[in-house]
Amino acid sequence: QSALTQPASVSGSPGQSITISCTGSSSDVGSYNLVSWYQQHPGKAPKLMIYEVIKRPSGVSNRFSGSKSGNTASLTISGLQAEDEADYYCCSYAGSSTWVFGIGTKVTVL
Amino acid sequence: EVQLVQSGAEVKKPGESLKISCKGSGYSFTSYWIGWVRQMPGKGLEWMGIIYPGDSDTRYSPSFQGQVTISADKSISTAYLQWSSLKASDTAMYYCARLKGYCANGVCHPAYFDYWGQGTLVTVSS
Repeated sequence: QSALTQPASVSGSPGQSITISCTGSSSDVGSYNLVSWYQQHPGKAPKLMIYEVIKRPSGVSNRFSGSKSGNTASLTISGLQAEDEADYYCCSYAGSSTWVFGIGTKVTVL
Repeated sequence: EVQLVQSGAEVKKPGESLKISCKGSGYSFTSYWIGWVRQMPGKGLEWMGIIYPGDSDTRYSPSFQGQVTISADKSISTAYLQWSSLKASDTAMYYCARLKGYCANGVCHPAYFDYWGQGTLVTVSS
C-alpha cells in the first residue's frame, strides 16, 4: 500500500478558502466512500474533522467540508482562521480491514 | 465522555522488549475496534493494526506484521502494543484510536478513527 498523495503545504490569508487534495487509487479512495480527514496541531494527537467523505462530527466547525471525485478526495476550509494552522491528513479504507493515510499537508495562515 | 488514556513515555535500549497500553473509558470497550498508529519524528501517520477487544480478533498492516503484537484485556478495558526486540527505528510517537463502524447492506466493518489517545513517545537509543 502506498501513502495517499497530498500537497506538502497549502497557505491562505485569514478569511480565504483553501482546498487540500488527497489522491489515491481505485483500490482505496476510488472504491470506498470511507475517506476521513484529521487535523493535528504540533505536539497534539490527531482530531477527526471529516468522515465518510462529507460528514462532520459534532463540534467540528461547518467551515470544514469534504468531497470526492474518482480517486481524489478533497478537504475545503472556508473562512480560514489562525487556529486552522495545523497538519492535515486524509485516510482511506482500502479493503480487507486495511487503511492508508495521506502523507500530510501543512496549512499555513498568512 | 469517550476517553483513551495511554501509558507514559518510554526510553529503551535496542534489543529490549516493551509493552505500551491504551485504556478506554466512557463507552463499551468490547464493542469497538481499537487501532494503533505510528508517527515517526517529523513524519506522517501510519496505520499499524487493529484489534476487536470483544473477541481479540486482530489485523495487521503488512508493514508491521511480525514486527509488533497487538493484544487486549477486556476485563480492564485496555489494549496493548508490544515489541519483543526494539530497534532504533522504532523511535516514534504511538497513538491508539477507536474505530467507528460503517454498515452497508447488512455488513458492518470498522471505518474511521473517531477518538484518539494522547500518544506514547517511545525512544530507543543505546
